[in-house]
Formats: sequence, structure tokens, C-alpha cells
Amino acid sequence: QVQLVQSGAEVKEPGASVKVSCKASGYTFPSYYIHWVRQAPGQGLESMGIINPSDGSTSYAQNFQRRVTMTRDTSTPTVYMELSSLTSEDTAVYYCARVAGEGALRGGFDYWAQGTLITVSS
Amino acid sequence: QSVLTQPPSVSGAPGQRVTISCTGSSSNIGAGYDVHWYQQLPGTAPKLLIYANNNRPSGVPGRFSGSQSGTSASLAITGLQAEDEADYYCQSFDSSLSGYVFGTGTKVTV
Repeated sequence: QVQLVQSGAEVKEPGASVKVSCKASGYTFPSYYIHWVRQAPGQGLESMGIINPSDGSTSYAQNFQRRVTMTRDTSTPTVYMELSSLTSEDTAVYYCARVAGEGALRGGFDYWAQGTLITVSS
Repeated sequence: QSVLTQPPSVSGAPGQRVTISCTGSSSNIGAGYDVHWYQQLPGTAPKLLIYANNNRPSGVPGRFSGSQSGTSASLAITGLQAEDEADYYCQSFDSSLSGYVFGTGTKVTV
């Protein structure tokens, strides 16, 4: 069965960086785009960007373009999201999700990981 | 700030029908990009409820349905049940932002 499993919760100081992993299993990893979404406490969903696990190409949301880097390791197979220059406003649950449809860039997100809580505090 | 606007909350009695609107613009829903809907129960990850405007993934009950017209979309829940109490989000692609956008979210109370 398809599964996405993320790394555990972290606490970071302002100005630091965080790298969250998203390990995929149960399907052909290179064939499905992975999207990252975050949700601040009590707030809505916010798109961060997308990565093509096949070639590593990325597209980042405008709000995160200067601070986010998405990468992948096809051998594990795992996708990573690194966010730099953290502030308290980055405190949120971060999710990776698979885009439905083999090779589809735009589609619903059919499988989601459990989420990773990142707390930014001094 | 989201470019897709939803009502903050809707409520209904068990068995009733409720609808949730998702209002966009000519750069997203109005441009013909598909709308997807998610259900998020408290403390859990979102779940895909409707994809490509009006399609239900396997396992989603038939009382959930979606529609789209012009620059707006709607999610309807018929035969409301207590287990439907959750937050609901619409999603589409926006050509001006060159990325995915989510709606502001709607809390459904039964």
C-alpha cells in the first residue's frame, strides 16, 4: 500500500534551518510528483512547492522561493524539504503529499504523510 | 492570504444538505483549472474528497459531490452525518502565481 512517512517533530531557534524528510513506499517513486504543504496552528493549508522525483526539478511557491529547497534521493526513496532563516511565523505542521496521476503535475493530492511539527522558538 | 475564498463555517442538522462555496478568479477556477476538495478531521492530515471538480476517489461516500461554474466551485454534502464534522478546503492552480492555491477553509458543524 502507498505510504508516505515523515521525520519527527523538531524545535529550532530563529534564524536556523530545518530539513524534513518524506519517505515513500508502495508505489513507483519516480512516477509521481510530491508536494509540500504547511499548516500553522489554527490556520489553513498553504502550498510550498512541488518536486518531480524523476529528475529532481522543482517549482516553489512565491512566498517561499528564497528560503526553501526541495531535493530527493531515489535510492531510499525519500524527498526532503529544507527551510532556512526560520522565524516564529514558520511554526507549523509540514506535510508532504503525492500528486494523483502518474506523471501528472497538476492533480489532487491522493496520499498524505502524517505531518511534522516544526516549532521555532528561542 | 488565499486567492480562493470559502465561508468560515456552515452548519446543519443530521440528514440535511449543506453546500460549501469556493470563489476564485479568472486566473484559477475561471481559467479552467481543476478544483479539488479535502476533508481534514481534527489532528489529522487532509484527505482527498473530490478531485477534478466532481470525481470521488474510491471509498468516498456518494453523499459528497462537487461542481464548478465560472469562477466558483461548490462542495455539497447530502444526508449530513456527525462524522462529517471537519474542516474542508478547496484547491486549484493559479496561473498568476504559477502554483497551487488552497481555499480559506470551512468548518462544518453537525
